[in-house]
Amino acid sequence: RKEVEQDPGPFNVPEGATVAFNCTYSNSASQSFFWYRQDCRKEPKLLMSVYSSGNEDGRFTAQLNRASQYISLLIRDSKLSDSATYLCVVNAPDTGRRALTFGSGTRLQVQP
Amino acid sequence: NAGVTQTPKFRILKIGQSMTLQCTQDMNHNYMYWYRQDPGMGLKLIYYSVGAGITDKGEVPNGYNVSRSTTEDFPLRLELAAPSQTSVYFCASSYTLDSGTGELFFGEGSRLTVL
Repeated sequence: RKEVEQDPGPFNVPEGATVAFNCTYSNSASQSFFWYRQDCRKEPKLLMSVYSSGNEDGRFTAQLNRASQYISLLIRDSKLSDSATYLCVVNAPDTGRRALTFGSGTRLQVQP
Repeated sequence: NAGVTQTPKFRILKIGQSMTLQCTQDMNHNYMYWYRQDPGMGLKLIYYSVGAGITDKGEVPNGYNVSRSTTEDFPLRLELAAPSQTSVYFCASSYTLDSGTGELFFGEGSRLTVL
């Protein structure tokens, strides 16, 4: 089983739509969770951290479900500029590895 | 601040050649990383460092070497390049990864093709 799994998509949605991505992680000891955004042929950039109580940043809402070991990202009122690949990222504290593990990403294409 | 700077941005190597990807950061971050990203795949950790003089292997270290003589620099050495090393390489840094507050700052990537 992959450490971090995501639906690769692509998710094709019209402008203004609401879209949600899920991500599952296998390491129950993981404590840090993030969503990164990666534009085509660019480097990843932090979109938002994911906190236990859930958190919101404008049109973006992130949720964590520890019992089921998944995190989600909800994008409301999609914009053309939201088109990108969204990477789910978690840490692996019990491996001794002081680094983050990346999912393969979910591609979003927002259409006019 | 320039952030994380990687060079070169593009390189074509012949099988068996060697090269070094340079990475430098000006944010005084303790942690530095090298990831590779194959088409349609996530980032795979090659090596990382938690401070000058300290390096450790990631998920896919074979065929690579690193050193960390200063806080700023973290070069990645490819010995005896193979076609399987064709990829996009990203260097990243962070101040810390503790308590979920660590953000990774990435360089723009180095696209390497081995023919």
